Amino acid sequence: KAGVTQTPRYLIKTRGQQVTLSCSPISGHRSVSWYQQTPGQGLQFLFEYFSETQRNKGNFPGRFSGRQFSNSRSEMNVSTLELGDSALYLCASRPGAGVNTEAFFGQGTRLTVV
Amino acid sequence: AQKVTQAQTEISVVEKEDVTLDCVYETRDTTYYLFWYKQPPSGELVFLIRRNSFDEQNEISGRYSWNFQKSTSSFNFTITASQVVDSAVYFCALSEADQAGTALIFGKGTTLSVSS
Repeated sequence: KAGVTQTPRYLIKTRGQQVTLSCSPISGHRSVSWYQQTPGQGLQFLFEYFSETQRNKGNFPGRFSGRQFSNSRSEMNVSTLELGDSALYLCASRPGAGVNTEAFFGQGTRLTVV
Repeated sequence: AQKVTQAQTEISVVEKEDVTLDCVYETRDTTYYLFWYKQPPSGELVFLIRRNSFDEQNEISGRYSWNFQKSTSSFNFTITASQVVDSAVYFCALSEADQAGTALIFGKGTTLSVSS
Protein backbone atom coordinates (compact mmCIF):
# COMPACT_ATOMS: atom_id res chain seq x y z
CA LYS A 1 0.00 0.00 0.00
CA ALA A 2 1.58 3.26 -1.10
CA GLY A 3 2.10 5.94 1.53
CA VAL A 4 1.38 9.64 1.38
CA THR A 5 3.11 11.16 -1.63
CA GLN A 6 4.12 14.77 -1.76
CA THR A 7 5.49 16.52 -4.82
CA PRO A 8 7.83 18.11 -5.44
CA ARG A 9 10.26 17.15 -2.69
CA TYR A 10 12.31 20.31 -3.04
CA LEU A 11 11.49 23.70 -4.42
CA ILE A 12 13.30 27.02 -4.69
CA LYS A 13 11.24 30.11 -5.38
CA THR A 14 11.85 33.83 -5.47
CA ARG A 15 10.18 36.27 -3.11
CA GLY A 16 6.90 37.48 -4.58
CA GLN A 17 6.25 34.36 -6.64
CA GLN A 18 3.55 31.83 -5.92
CA VAL A 19 3.87 28.10 -5.44
CA THR A 20 1.63 25.05 -5.53
CA LEU A 21 2.39 21.90 -3.56
CA SER A 22 0.68 18.58 -4.12
CA CYS A 23 -0.31 15.74 -1.81
CA SER A 24 -1.69 12.34 -2.74
CA PRO A 25 -3.10 10.59 0.32
CA ILE A 26 -3.10 6.89 1.00
CA SER A 27 -5.64 5.13 -1.17
CA GLY A 28 -9.04 5.21 0.51
CA HIS A 29 -8.16 8.06 2.85
CA ARG A 30 -10.48 11.03 2.57
CA SER A 31 -8.99 13.45 5.09
CA VAL A 32 -5.92 15.49 4.23
CA SER A 33 -4.19 17.99 6.52
CA TRP A 34 -1.28 20.32 5.88
CA TYR A 35 1.37 21.45 8.35
CA GLN A 36 4.24 23.90 8.14
CA GLN A 37 7.47 23.09 9.95
CA THR A 38 10.08 25.77 10.64
CA PRO A 39 12.98 25.84 13.10
CA GLY A 40 11.47 28.80 14.93
CA GLN A 41 7.77 27.96 15.09
CA GLY A 42 7.95 24.20 14.92
CA LEU A 43 5.05 22.26 13.44
CA GLN A 44 1.96 24.34 12.82
CA PHE A 45 -1.40 23.30 11.43
CA LEU A 46 -2.37 24.99 8.17
CA PHE A 47 -5.67 23.45 7.10
CA GLU A 48 -7.63 20.24 6.75
CA TYR A 49 -9.88 18.94 4.02
CA PHE A 50 -12.41 16.14 4.09
CA SER A 51 -14.48 15.16 1.07
CA GLU A 52 -13.44 18.32 -0.77
CA THR A 53 -14.54 20.60 2.08
CA GLN A 54 -12.25 22.60 4.31
CA ARG A 55 -12.97 21.55 7.89
CA ASN A 56 -10.53 23.65 9.79
CA LYS A 57 -7.94 26.33 9.20
CA GLY A 58 -4.94 27.35 11.23
CA ASN A 59 -3.76 30.84 12.00
CA PHE A 60 -2.10 31.69 8.71
CA PRO A 61 -2.62 34.65 6.38
CA GLY A 62 -4.89 34.44 3.38
CA ARG A 63 -1.87 33.95 1.12
CA PHE A 64 -2.06 30.33 2.14
CA SER A 65 -4.88 28.41 0.51
CA GLY A 66 -5.71 24.87 -0.39
CA ARG A 67 -8.20 22.60 -2.01
CA GLN A 68 -9.07 18.95 -2.29
CA PHE A 69 -10.20 17.12 -5.37
CA SER A 70 -12.79 14.39 -5.73
CA ASN A 71 -10.05 11.74 -5.71
CA SER A 72 -8.90 13.12 -2.31
CA ARG A 73 -5.68 14.54 -3.70
CA SER A 74 -4.94 17.94 -2.25
CA GLU A 75 -3.00 21.00 -3.26
CA MET A 76 -1.89 23.96 -1.25
CA ASN A 77 -0.97 27.29 -2.72
CA VAL A 78 1.10 30.11 -1.31
CA SER A 79 0.93 33.42 -3.14
CA THR A 80 3.28 36.38 -2.89
CA LEU A 81 5.98 34.33 -1.24
CA GLU A 82 7.97 35.81 1.64
CA LEU A 83 11.33 34.71 2.98
CA GLY A 84 9.58 33.49 6.12
CA ASP A 85 7.59 30.97 4.09
CA SER A 86 10.72 28.87 3.74
CA ALA A 87 9.80 25.67 5.52
CA LEU A 88 9.10 21.98 5.28
CA TYR A 89 5.46 21.50 4.33
CA LEU A 90 4.03 18.21 5.50
CA CYS A 91 0.84 16.57 4.38
CA ALA A 92 -1.03 13.99 6.43
CA SER A 93 -3.88 11.70 5.51
CA ARG A 94 -6.42 9.89 7.66
CA PRO A 95 -8.90 7.23 6.67
CA GLY A 96 -11.87 9.17 8.01
CA ALA A 97 -13.00 12.28 9.75
CA GLY A 98 -12.50 11.13 13.31
CA VAL A 99 -9.88 12.68 15.55
CA ASN A 100 -9.26 9.27 17.08
CA THR A 101 -7.51 7.93 13.99
CA GLU A 102 -3.84 8.19 13.33
CA ALA A 103 -2.47 10.56 10.74
CA PHE A 104 0.01 9.23 8.20
CA PHE A 105 2.53 11.80 7.02
CA GLY A 106 4.38 12.23 3.77
CA GLN A 107 8.06 13.13 3.52
CA GLY A 108 7.23 16.74 2.89
CA THR A 109 8.11 19.43 0.41
CA ARG A 110 11.10 21.56 1.35
CA LEU A 111 10.38 25.09 0.10
CA THR A 112 13.15 27.65 0.02
CA VAL A 113 12.29 31.26 -0.76
CA VAL A 114 15.19 33.42 -1.87
CA ALA B 1 -6.00 27.31 25.09
CA GLN B 2 -4.39 24.07 24.05
CA LYS B 3 -0.65 23.72 24.30
CA VAL B 4 2.01 21.02 24.30
CA THR B 5 5.35 21.56 26.01
CA GLN B 6 8.42 19.45 25.48
CA ALA B 7 10.94 21.08 27.79
CA GLN B 8 13.89 18.99 26.65
CA THR B 9 15.24 20.43 23.42
CA GLU B 10 18.09 17.96 23.00
CA ILE B 11 19.13 14.77 24.76
CA SER B 12 22.31 12.82 24.16
CA VAL B 13 22.80 9.30 25.46
CA VAL B 14 25.08 6.38 24.87
CA GLU B 15 23.71 3.18 23.42
CA LYS B 16 21.91 0.91 25.90
CA GLU B 17 21.03 3.77 28.22
CA ASP B 18 17.39 4.32 29.05
CA VAL B 19 15.97 7.72 28.16
CA THR B 20 12.70 9.46 28.98
CA LEU B 21 11.21 12.20 26.85
CA ASP B 22 8.86 14.51 28.71
CA CYS B 23 5.57 15.93 27.42
CA VAL B 24 3.20 18.23 29.29
CA TYR B 25 -0.06 19.36 27.74
CA GLU B 26 -2.80 21.90 28.39
CA THR B 27 -6.40 21.58 27.30
CA ARG B 28 -9.84 22.54 28.53
CA ASP B 29 -11.50 19.62 26.77
CA THR B 30 -12.39 16.49 28.69
CA THR B 31 -12.04 14.34 25.58
CA TYR B 32 -8.76 14.56 23.77
CA TYR B 33 -6.08 12.42 22.18
CA LEU B 34 -2.36 12.42 22.72
CA PHE B 35 0.19 11.22 20.20
CA TRP B 36 3.88 10.62 19.85
CA TYR B 37 5.59 10.88 16.47
CA LYS B 38 9.18 10.23 15.43
CA GLN B 39 10.82 12.30 12.70
CA PRO B 40 13.95 10.71 11.22
CA PRO B 41 16.28 12.75 8.97
CA SER B 42 14.20 11.76 5.93
CA GLY B 43 11.50 14.13 7.16
CA GLU B 44 8.27 12.20 7.44
CA LEU B 45 6.56 11.90 10.80
CA VAL B 46 6.22 8.30 11.91
CA PHE B 47 3.31 7.49 14.20
CA LEU B 48 4.29 5.79 17.46
CA ILE B 49 1.25 5.84 19.72
CA ARG B 50 -2.20 7.33 20.29
CA ARG B 51 -3.85 7.56 23.70
CA ASN B 52 -7.29 8.94 24.53
CA SER B 53 -8.02 10.96 27.64
CA PHE B 54 -10.09 8.22 29.23
CA ASP B 55 -7.42 5.57 29.05
CA GLU B 56 -4.68 6.12 31.60
CA GLN B 57 -3.20 2.69 31.29
CA ASN B 58 0.48 2.74 30.57
CA GLU B 59 1.57 1.01 27.42
CA ILE B 60 4.64 -0.93 26.45
CA SER B 61 5.65 -1.82 22.94
CA GLY B 62 9.01 -3.53 22.75
CA ARG B 63 11.62 -1.09 24.01
CA TYR B 64 9.11 1.76 24.04
CA SER B 65 6.81 2.62 26.90
CA TRP B 66 4.47 5.48 27.64
CA ASN B 67 3.28 6.90 30.95
CA PHE B 68 0.07 8.93 30.84
CA GLN B 69 -0.88 10.83 33.99
CA LYS B 70 -3.93 13.10 33.80
CA SER B 71 -3.25 14.44 37.29
CA THR B 72 -0.06 16.08 36.06
CA SER B 73 -1.15 16.49 32.41
CA SER B 74 1.85 14.53 31.28
CA PHE B 75 2.42 11.88 28.64
CA ASN B 76 6.03 10.78 28.89
CA PHE B 77 7.85 8.42 26.56
CA THR B 78 10.64 6.08 27.63
CA ILE B 79 13.03 4.20 25.38
CA THR B 80 14.73 1.32 27.14
CA ALA B 81 18.18 0.20 26.05
CA SER B 82 18.46 2.91 23.42
CA GLN B 83 19.99 2.19 20.03
CA VAL B 84 21.66 4.39 17.42
CA VAL B 85 18.61 3.92 15.18
CA ASP B 86 16.52 5.72 17.80
CA SER B 87 18.28 8.97 16.94
CA ALA B 88 15.59 11.31 15.65
CA VAL B 89 13.35 14.18 16.64
CA TYR B 90 10.39 13.10 18.74
CA PHE B 91 7.18 15.07 18.86
CA CYS B 92 4.32 14.91 21.32
CA ALA B 93 0.96 16.14 19.99
CA LEU B 94 -2.55 16.85 21.21
CA SER B 95 -5.85 16.71 19.36
CA GLU B 96 -9.08 17.83 20.97
CA ALA B 97 -12.32 16.03 20.20
CA ASP B 98 -14.34 19.21 20.55
CA GLN B 99 -13.08 20.88 17.40
CA ALA B 100 -14.11 21.05 13.78
CA GLY B 101 -11.54 18.71 12.40
CA THR B 102 -8.55 16.76 13.56
CA ALA B 103 -5.80 19.36 13.87
CA LEU B 104 -2.76 18.26 15.85
CA ILE B 105 -1.08 20.68 18.23
CA PHE B 106 2.58 19.74 18.39
CA GLY B 107 5.25 20.37 20.96
CA LYS B 108 8.55 21.81 19.75
CA GLY B 109 10.12 18.38 19.71
CA THR B 110 13.05 16.72 21.44
CA THR B 111 16.12 15.79 19.44
CA LEU B 112 17.51 12.50 20.67
CA SER B 113 21.06 11.56 19.77
CA VAL B 114 22.22 8.06 20.59
CA SER B 115 25.92 7.38 20.17
CA SER B 116 27.61 4.01 19.98
